[in-house]
Amino acid sequence: GAGVSQSPSNKVTEKGKDVELRCDPISGHTALYWYRQSLGQGLEFLIYFQGNSAPDKSGLPSDRFSAERTGGSVSTLTIQRTQQEDSAVYLCASSLARQFNQPQHFGDGTRLSIL
Amino acid sequence: AQKITQTQPGMFVQEKEAVTLDCTYDTSDPSYGLFWYKQPSSGEMIFLIYQGSYDQQNATEGRYSLNFQKARKSANLVISASQLGDSAMYFCAMREDQGAQKLVFGQGTRLTINP
Repeated sequence: GAGVSQSPSNKVTEKGKDVELRCDPISGHTALYWYRQSLGQGLEFLIYFQGNSAPDKSGLPSDRFSAERTGGSVSTLTIQRTQQEDSAVYLCASSLARQFNQPQHFGDGTRLSIL
Repeated sequence: AQKITQTQPGMFVQEKEAVTLDCTYDTSDPSYGLFWYKQPSSGEMIFLIYQGSYDQQNATEGRYSLNFQKARKSANLVISASQLGDSAMYFCAMREDQGAQKLVFGQGTRLTINP
């Protein structure tokens, strides 16, 4: 079956531009997570969706970061006025439910490079 | 606060040998799940194995097994009969029952299998 799909796989943009990253979770997965992986910080949580609502946005590093999820499916992570420190791999994961015993399945990530 | 510690930044093992990757964790939540993920150089995050805090037996999945010692708060991954394709980064992660149940990751261990 289809796994988690992320697009684009790579994005290079200039500092100050806005970027949108897309995640299409596994069909039927109600929980969706965004993480960021960077050399200095490892893997860090950004935001969690249950259905279309985001009960936990505690990991978003600044108000330049926002995300939404529509139809209980596709999610978009938007970074406004990008900075060089935003360069990282952005990973999306989904799980069948939010229970702690459910594994999260990851997409291949979007590698974001800010020039 | 939940925390995962992987003390081995890198490990080198001969092909066909068994290898143990260490992971210790800290949490005050009695209900939690422990996960191991493999990240090859291509970047995807692959779920390997899960152990629940209430599980009485160690988890096994093919060549992967988890040495779960709850009192010591350790969840070491054992890979038997290692193969060249096992060369990758390995992450230990924990998911608590509380809140968003996000994954908290260790810093990872880079495993290299030598022929």
